[in-house]
Amino acid sequence: AQKVTQAQTEISVVEKEDVTLDCVYETRDTTYYLFWYKQPPSGELVFLIRRNSFDEQNEISGRYSWNFQKSTSSFNFTITASQVVDSAVYFCALSEPGTASKLTFGTGTRLQVTL
Amino acid sequence: KAGVTQTPRYLIKTRGQQVTLSCSPISGHRSVSWYQQTPGQGLQFLFEYFSETQRNKGNFPGRFSGRQFSNSRSEMNVSTLELGDSALYLCASSPGGSHQPQHFGDGTRLSIL
Repeated sequence: AQKVTQAQTEISVVEKEDVTLDCVYETRDTTYYLFWYKQPPSGELVFLIRRNSFDEQNEISGRYSWNFQKSTSSFNFTITASQVVDSAVYFCALSEPGTASKLTFGTGTRLQVTL
Repeated sequence: KAGVTQTPRYLIKTRGQQVTLSCSPISGHRSVSWYQQTPGQGLQFLFEYFSETQRNKGNFPGRFSGRQFSNSRSEMNVSTLELGDSALYLCASSPGGSHQPQHFGDGTRLSIL
């Protein structure tokens, strides 16, 4: 069975600090996709990134970066110079082989960024 | 491009009743998935529809059902409501390819009294 663990339930930082959200996954599949979603208070899940199991290149998008390490089954997410607008719950998710429409989500990490 | 639209946003029902939630996907998207989000169980996959057929199913009882219409709009039905069905129900759509990311709606918050 697949499993995604986000051990950090809640993180509080002061604006401009860097913050890393951890994600560890378990799967027996050799082909899979990993995702990060952001859920602001409005409730909508906002897609941030998709990474396939064969691509271990790190990715940077503006203040966001992702570190995928297959050897440790981790897919961590770093926000550089955090801003108040980054406050949200962040979810890491794992797809089953052959479909991105059946996701196993972690329990989420609530990020609070204050002034 | 309009996003995923879910109606209604809020719903209050009593135990034993049934409810139907609606989801209009992004134009051109053929896959619609439903998820239940609760504080205790987190986000859990309910089912996915693609071209009017259920393509994947989660581990929920038969009281939870869905369907998809020819225009890709989807409805989810829950019968004989229980207190534990109180949750945020999220709908997501994607073009339908094997690993294309899903885009979510704002959800319907269902409260059971």
